Amino acid sequence: KAGVTQTPRYLIKTRGQQVTLSCSPISGHRSVSWYQQTPGQGLQFLFEYFSETQRNKGNFPGRFSGRQFSNSRSEMNVSTLELGDSALYLCASSLVGGNEQYFGPGTRLTVT
Amino acid sequence: GENVEQHPSTLSVQEGDSAVIKCTYSDSASNYFPWYKQELGKRPQLIIDIRSNVGEKKDQRIAVTLNKTAKHFSLHITETQPEDSAVYFCAAVWGAGGTSYGKLTFGQGTILTVHP
Repeated sequence: KAGVTQTPRYLIKTRGQQVTLSCSPISGHRSVSWYQQTPGQGLQFLFEYFSETQRNKGNFPGRFSGRQFSNSRSEMNVSTLELGDSALYLCASSLVGGNEQYFGPGTRLTVT
Repeated sequence: GENVEQHPSTLSVQEGDSAVIKCTYSDSASNYFPWYKQELGKRPQLIIDIRSNVGEKKDQRIAVTLNKTAKHFSLHITETQPEDSAVYFCAAVWGAGGTSYGKLTFGQGTILTVHP
């Protein structure tokens, strides 16, 4: 089976802009979780989607949002970018929001 | 909410030695504990996990132990090799009805360096 894929792999944006990141889960996996990874804060949970519904959300401002499509692919959007949003954004998929999560390669976002 | 503390933050060993990384968690309802290995520039990779109804699990050179009473779990790597060098993350999950609703709470990571 193909693994989790994410696009784009690298992105450079300017403060105030918005960005959309995409995640395609492993075939058959219906749950997609998103994480932000930074050197200072480590890996932090953003949100989780299952069957096109957000079931869980971490402690991030409303500028961070997401959605999931009927084919389980997911997107996350960050509006009004801030310098502190520079990070590696990882998505992970699992069968039904079960515990075994498999990560994608991540999108490296740099905000200047 | 759940909090996971991981120690040490860095660990340096000689090839062939054992390495042990420890994590403690705060929520006694946590019931699933995975370990991830992340090599430089790569994605986190699930290497082993344990559920709260099991005390120990082993897979070749790696093992994980869980002490529910003390709320801590550990990763043990025996006969370390240079390719074991990476950042290792522990995580804890509270799940109900068979699902954790996707939220892994991670420790801060341990940089393991194995010297040839």
